[in-house]
Amino acid sequence: QVQLQESGPGLVEPSQTLSLICTVSGGSTSSGRYYWSWIRQPAGKGLEWIGRIYGSGSTNYNPSLKSRVTISVDTSKNQFSLKLSSVTAADTAVYYCAGFHHDSSGYYTGDFDYWGQGTLVTVSS
Amino acid sequence: DIQMTQSPSSLSASVGDRVTITCRASQGISNYLAWHQQKPGKVPKLLISAASTLQSGVPSRFSGSGSGTDFTLTISSLQPEDVATYYCQKYDSAPWTFGQGTKVEIK
Repeated sequence: QVQLQESGPGLVEPSQTLSLICTVSGGSTSSGRYYWSWIRQPAGKGLEWIGRIYGSGSTNYNPSLKSRVTISVDTSKNQFSLKLSSVTAADTAVYYCAGFHHDSSGYYTGDFDYWGQGTLVTVSS
Repeated sequence: DIQMTQSPSSLSASVGDRVTITCRASQGISNYLAWHQQKPGKVPKLLISAASTLQSGVPSRFSGSGSGTDFTLTISSLQPEDVATYYCQKYDSAPWTFGQGTKVEIK
């Protein structure tokens, strides 16, 4: 069974960089059939897709965050990571990492979805 | 970028009622639409993919329909365990976008 676990600081100061790691167990980040993704959810609000990494390191980002976001993968550690720079209080949220299976054409299949439990990151001084 | 608009933002219905949630895409997305259910304090769970394909283990009272820009999630007979927030999500191409959510409560 594939499991994902987020880790990183729960408190980040304004203007600093938020850094989170997602460790994948029971599966491989080098699998060519998963979009390794980050999604966030402010308290009491909806889900916001941050971005994804796939294949040999291709990435897509939410245009509203693109200038501040970097997603990378470390296949040797079976981890992928999120960096969000210049954070403000508006970036306070539960951050989820997730893996979404896609077919050979790149379309999400819904066959295998894996989510971490989420980690709360608060931006405050 | 394509925007996803759900309605209503919340609803209250009685057990056994038929509940319908709509999701509209600002541009056509064919049938590349998923519905997720998120119960309080829990991780989202995929209910439906490809607009109408029910995931394994999801009760048959849930159904999805639509194509292009207009989509619907229907709960044929609302049960207490269906209290949750429901999100549509497009996945035709990046960026993936979620609707703002519909909170379903029992009257």
